[in-house]
Amino acid sequence: QKEVEQNSGPLSVPEGAIASLNCTYSDRGSQSFFWYRQYSGKSPELIMSIYSNGDKEDGRFTAQLNKASQYVSLLIRDSQPSDSATYLCAVTKAAGNKLTFGGGTRVLVKP
Amino acid sequence: GAGVSQSPSNKVTEKGKDVELRCDPISGHTALYWYRQSLGQGLEFLIYFQGNSAPDKSGLPSDRFSAERTGGSVSTLTIQRTQQEDSAVYLCASSLTGANTEAFFGQGTRLTVV
Repeated sequence: QKEVEQNSGPLSVPEGAIASLNCTYSDRGSQSFFWYRQYSGKSPELIMSIYSNGDKEDGRFTAQLNKASQYVSLLIRDSQPSDSATYLCAVTKAAGNKLTFGGGTRVLVKP
Repeated sequence: GAGVSQSPSNKVTEKGKDVELRCDPISGHTALYWYRQSLGQGLEFLIYFQGNSAPDKSGLPSDRFSAERTGGSVSTLTIQRTQQEDSAVYLCASSLTGANTEAFFGQGTRLTVV
């Protein structure tokens, strides 16, 4: 079992729709959760962090964390073609501070 | 500096040569991470520094790979006797304390071994 798992996609979303991305993690004691966006040929860019159960909203982005289910998600509202990228979920485990990444979900927003 | 800076941006080297990749983290950030990303693949963890110490170097793929950090700031990743499979983008990230703090990436070094 991978430490952080994501569906590789591609997730195809019409412009203006909501994109829903999921991530599961194996270490129940994980403490910090992050979403990064990576455009092709570029380095990852942090878009959201979440540390406690519930929802956290930032503009068109909402992160949702459920520690009991070991699940974190990202919603992108009013998706734009510029949101087309790979979205990486990252988790800091309980022991030590290594930041572990999932394989990423590729999102394609079609006009 | 304003962000994480990596140099060089691109490096082409001959198989068997040694290379050094540099990472200059955000000023004041005590945690520093190195990752490797092969074409079309995910991020592979290499090593994590807290200050000048490396509490987790479990991702270094072989003893040809080493890294150091001096003055709690600049880090150098050294690859000895490079092989073609070392070709990848090497990414550095830093965070304020490591524990539960956001990490920010540099632009990466694209290494090509020919």
